[in-house]
Amino acid sequence: QKEVEQNSGPLSVPEGAIASLNCTYSDRGSQSFFWYRQYSGKSPELIMSIYSNGDKEDGRFTAQLNKASQYVSLLIRDSQPSDSATYLCAAPIYNFNKFYFGSGTKLNVKP
Amino acid sequence: GAGVSQTPSNKVTEKGKYVELRCDPISGHTALYWYRQSLGQGPEFLIYFQGTGAADDSGLPNDRFFAVRPEGSVSTLKIQRTERGDSAVYLCASSRSSSSTDTQYFGPGTRLTVL
Repeated sequence: QKEVEQNSGPLSVPEGAIASLNCTYSDRGSQSFFWYRQYSGKSPELIMSIYSNGDKEDGRFTAQLNKASQYVSLLIRDSQPSDSATYLCAAPIYNFNKFYFGSGTKLNVKP
Repeated sequence: GAGVSQTPSNKVTEKGKYVELRCDPISGHTALYWYRQSLGQGPEFLIYFQGTGAADDSGLPNDRFFAVRPEGSVSTLKIQRTERGDSAVYLCASSRSSSSTDTQYFGPGTRLTVL
């Protein structure tokens, strides 16, 4: 099992729909989780971080964390074509500062 | 304010050559990370600095790779005897501290191509 796993996609959703991106992680002791967005040819940029069980909302984005299931998700409401990118899930695994990234889920929002 | 900068943006070299990749972190950030990203993959951890010292270099693939941060700011990733398999985008990130909850801010990356 990889330390952080994501479905590579592509995930296609119509404009205005909700996009749901999922991530699982291997270390039950991990405490912090990050979602990054990466446009093609660009570097990752932070979308959201989450540290506590439950939901965290920021504008059109909601991060959900379930530590018992070792599962993190990102919901994007009212998806826009500009949201089309690869979304990376990241967490420190087994080591306080050594971050592991998933392979990313490619999202395609169709106009 | 200025973000993380990396130079060069692109580097093409021949197999067996030596290369240096530079990272200038956000001013005041004490933690600095190097990652390598291959096509279709997420960033892969290489090494992490807290201040001047390499706190964790467990991600360096072999002894051809070395990184320094002599004054606790700018860092250089050095690759000796480059191989074609070293071709990738090398990303640098910095964070305010070494806390696992601090956001890592990424630079634009250096695309290394080994012919």
